[in-house]
Amino acid sequence: DADVTQTPRNRITKTGKRIMLECSQTKGHDRMYWYRQDPGLGLRLIYYSFDVKDINKGEISDGYSVSRQAQAKFSLSLESAIPNQTALYFCATTSSGTGEQFFGPGTRLTVL
Amino acid sequence: QQQVKQSPQSLIVQKGGISIINCAYENTAFDYFPWYQQFPGKGPALLIAIRPDVSEKKEGRFTISFNKSAKQFSLHIMDSQPGDSATYFCAASMETSGSRLTFGEGTQLTVNP
Repeated sequence: DADVTQTPRNRITKTGKRIMLECSQTKGHDRMYWYRQDPGLGLRLIYYSFDVKDINKGEISDGYSVSRQAQAKFSLSLESAIPNQTALYFCATTSSGTGEQFFGPGTRLTVL
Repeated sequence: QQQVKQSPQSLIVQKGGISIINCAYENTAFDYFPWYQQFPGKGPALLIAIRPDVSEKKEGRFTISFNKSAKQFSLHIMDSQPGDSATYFCAASMETSGSRLTFGEGTQLTVNP
């Protein structure tokens, strides 16, 4: 089984809808991250969490919110989706003290 | 403002050739420089990483060259193979930011047989 899983893998929605993307990890890591990937822009950090009680904004947090339900679960929500939030979204985890981040398979989100 | 700039955006190399991807950074507080490899439909995966106390790190066919004074680092893929065709991202982070990665724009590498 994959160490970092994301659901759904693909989602098409309409402008104004609320969307939740979910991430789970079995690696036992304390740190979790949400990124979005856009062509020509690389990956940009949306939110990150060092533990259940520690949530931090990344460089592009506007229009997004997150919830760290447990050490292993980190959800990303779009309260009112807009077309320019169409992108590939990745969850990642790492343990404190190391540099390597482990990425999930991604969620492709299309907002019409 | 992109703190890590990557070039080229795309690269086509013949099998057996050398692929070179370059990155430049601005923040001198960065102290960890990884390269990630991403295949279509997959998440990025760590390929190789370097810290600024060394100027070069080699793992198999992959080498990172690091120039601290120029604030640049590069990935060299020797004897490039079609299986190396992927998107490559350079990144940087600093210990004090808790492993937050700042990524470059990405390079799509195609190795022709």
